[in-house]
Amino acid sequence: DQQVKQNSPSLSVQEGRISILNCDYTNSMFDYFLWYKKYPAEGPTFLISISSIKDKNEDGRFTVFLNKSAKHLSLHIVPSQPGDSAVYFCAAKGSGRGADGLTFGKGTHLIIQP
Amino acid sequence: EPEVTQTPSHQVTQMGQEVILRCVPISNHLYFYWYRQILGQKVEFLVSFYNNEISEKSEIFDDQFSVERPDGSNFTLKIRSTKLEDSAMYFCASSGGDRYPDTQYFGPGTRLTVL
Repeated sequence: DQQVKQNSPSLSVQEGRISILNCDYTNSMFDYFLWYKKYPAEGPTFLISISSIKDKNEDGRFTVFLNKSAKHLSLHIVPSQPGDSAVYFCAAKGSGRGADGLTFGKGTHLIIQP
Repeated sequence: EPEVTQTPSHQVTQMGQEVILRCVPISNHLYFYWYRQILGQKVEFLVSFYNNEISEKSEIFDDQFSVERPDGSNFTLKIRSTKLEDSAMYFCASSGGDRYPDTQYFGPGTRLTVL
């Protein structure tokens, strides 16, 4: 039961262009969404998050958009840089208790081409 | 910047042995978590811990698993009798800080290999 789906296993983007990573979710109880970046043999590194009361959050080169009616979010990276090459995970949690576990997608491997 | 730390980075054990994975969460955080990632699969939630007790656990977290916060800084995951299928990366995380209270910060992981 994939409650968080990242349908693109990999994405190749040219350096300097925009990278757009997509994520869909099915559980309407999710109300907080996060993007993590992960290199092999390392832990996930937090990038950016968004609460369901917003539809956009921006932090430097990273912007996350949330479309609640479509149960869809996306991460935009602009401009893309070689160091952005990594696996990106979308994660979600429900409202209420702070100790709720995150539900992760399977990840998208972003490759930035020089 | 404060970080979650985990030891050891790699643990090799024989099937049926007990292992303890250790974590030091970020010092002012209130919530602590364990996740695992089997090779090639997604990161899966195991358990969360708050106020010295388990807050939530997944179906994976069966009687073979236990967690403990033995002192003010460490948070441990014990697997009582390891199975081959327990081989995975185990990640500790913590949350509840002032700036982003709902954001979970992850440690570098412990690679557990069960032979």
